Amino acid sequence: DIQMTQSPSTLSSSVGDRVTITCRASQNIDVWLAWYQQSPPKAPKLLIYKASILESGVPSRFSGSGSGTEFTLTINSLQPDDVATYFCHQYYTSSPAGTFGQGTKVEIK
Amino acid sequence: QLQLEESGPGLLKSSETLSLTCTVSGASISSRGFYWGWIRQTPGKGLEWIGSMFYSGTTHYNPSLKSRVTISGDTATNQLSLKLSSLSASDTAVYYCARQGAYVYGPIHNWGQGTLVTVSS
Repeated sequence: DIQMTQSPSTLSSSVGDRVTITCRASQNIDVWLAWYQQSPPKAPKLLIYKASILESGVPSRFSGSGSGTEFTLTINSLQPDDVATYFCHQYYTSSPAGTFGQGTKVEIK
Repeated sequence: QLQLEESGPGLLKSSETLSLTCTVSGASISSRGFYWGWIRQTPGKGLEWIGSMFYSGTTHYNPSLKSRVTISGDTATNQLSLKLSSLSASDTAVYYCARQGAYVYGPIHNWGQGTLVTVSS
């Protein structure tokens, strides 16, 4: 399996800050990476796919970048509604299965 | 608007077989180009992709679960189903039904609300 490692596990920032979450893949996955936001008890919500494509309806303060093995999710101007856990997800077709990162919990200071 | 709703027993015993149904509204599971799948989530292991079914009926499973999993679809009722056999406590999780888009493992564009399944010994 391809292992996905997110950092940090938890971050605390102020409203209006720029926040960056990193996801590293254990092998090359090209751009086959998605990011999700989850606010319990809800299901995850797709934010970004194919590393940098914003899902319809997602605020433009969210952006994604990267390719190969290193990816980032950026939230420009953190808002109270952004308090959630964020997951990365590789869906590289040449791997035996899709796998997820362990999650990054974002809090407001 | 696409909606997915999981249903099934919330409590099962070890060695039993889990059967979950996902009722899809707002789209057809036979719509060309889409995969429909199941994902589960536990506090310990996080999110785990279980498997998916292409609109044509072709299925793909996570190798770690392949020997125990069956995913199928009923176009007459527009439902997706999941069967997981030989349950153990480690199968306790929230199970999500999903529409994945054009690729076998994702991305997951639409999620059901999830259903908690507890396996007791």
